[in-house]
Amino acid sequence: QLQLQESGPGLVKPSETLSLICSVSGGSVSSSTYYWGWIRQPPGKGLEWIATIYYAGNTYYNPSLRSRVTISVDRSNNQFSLRLSSVTAADTSVYYCARQAWGSKGEFDYWGQGTLVTVSS
Amino acid sequence: QSVLTQPPSASGTPGQRVTISCSGSTSNIESNYVYWYQQLPGTAPKLLIYRINQRASGVPDRFSGSKSGTSASLAISGLRSEDEADYYCASWDDSLSGVIFGGGTKLTVL
Repeated sequence: QLQLQESGPGLVKPSETLSLICSVSGGSVSSSTYYWGWIRQPPGKGLEWIATIYYAGNTYYNPSLRSRVTISVDRSNNQFSLRLSSVTAADTSVYYCARQAWGSKGEFDYWGQGTLVTVSS
Repeated sequence: QSVLTQPPSASGTPGQRVTISCSGSTSNIESNYVYWYQQLPGTAPKLLIYRINQRASGVPDRFSGSKSGTSASLAISGLRSEDEADYYCASWDDSLSGVIFGGGTKLTVL
């Protein structure tokens, strides 16, 4: 059974960089059949797609966040990562990592449990 | 404000059929697949419907999806108390070149 687990600091100071890792077990980030993505959800609000990566390095970013976001994949450790720079309070959210079906954009079939990141001094 | 528009709330009594709408445009719903997610309180979203009308693994046939033009719908028949959750639609937007979500609909089972 595929499992995804987010990890990273729960508190980040304004203007600093948020860094999260998604560890994948029961499957491989090197699969040619799937992409890997990050989605976030501010407290009490809706879902927002952040970015997606393919094992070969192809990346896709939400245009509204593109200038601040980097997604990368670490095939040796079966992980993928998210970096969001220059954070503000508006970036306070639960951050989810998820598997995304190739050729079926918008289809996130496995999700991590999510990790709350609070931006505050 | 979300690119895909959903009613903020919906409700029904046990056994009823309820429908949740998702309104988009030619650059998203009309020309791409639609997906539906269920989010129970305090948990991660779960894929319910993919590619407009395909039920994800383990999803009961009480849940069904459809699309017409720039709008899509999720129907839940034989409503049960455990269906009380937030429901989100999603699609790809060709203009934005990205995944977009609706604002979510909170379903209450009365």
